[in-house]
Amino acid sequence: GQNIDQPTEMTATEGAIVQINCTYQTSGFNGLFWYQQHAGEAPTFLSYNVLDGLEEKGRFSSFLSRSKGYSYLLLKELQMKDSASYLCAVLDSNYQLIWGAGTKLIIKP
Amino acid sequence: DVKVTQSSRYLVKRTGEKVFLECVQDMDHENMFWYRQDPGLGLRLIYFSYDVKMKEKGDIPEGYSVSREKKERFSLILESTSTNQTSMYLCASSLGTENTGELFFGEGSRLTVL
Repeated sequence: GQNIDQPTEMTATEGAIVQINCTYQTSGFNGLFWYQQHAGEAPTFLSYNVLDGLEEKGRFSSFLSRSKGYSYLLLKELQMKDSASYLCAVLDSNYQLIWGAGTKLIIKP
Repeated sequence: DVKVTQSSRYLVKRTGEKVFLECVQDMDHENMFWYRQDPGLGLRLIYFSYDVKMKEKGDIPEGYSVSREKKERFSLILESTSTNQTSMYLCASSLGTENTGELFFGEGSRLTVL
């Protein structure tokens, strides 16, 4: 079966760095996505990786290793507004998104 | 900016009642999706559509139906609600002839079935 694993919850301190991991086993691979979802709001697209390596976008970076079925989202200089759930999703061979359950990130002052 | 609008943010229904959730997107996207989101589970795909009048079953279509009569509008219908359909329902759209994975979501419709 298809599976995406990510930690349920993480806590970090304002101003620090946090890494949210995601491992996947899917039928085919057409890209890995990270979405951010604030409580009570819609998910919004953060990043996309299809090739191995690091993609940087401001304070957020996303890394992919296809051979290991692994990705991480790195958040730097954490701000209180980064408190949210972070969803990892893989686009499989049928171009359907397979979603992880999400990681709830709690930022403490 | 793409805007995806869902008709109702909060609904409370009794078992057996019919529910009609409407979703409208304003960016001429070909692809539209209905998901449900439950605590501890990833987003689960109910139905999707890549074109007007076209619909495909997702992973959990049982108990649901959809309608896409116009490109911008994708409706989810629950003919006879049950308590296990209490959930957050999310509509999304994306550009392109196939799903690119970059989805634009509506604000969600939280349905409670008593």
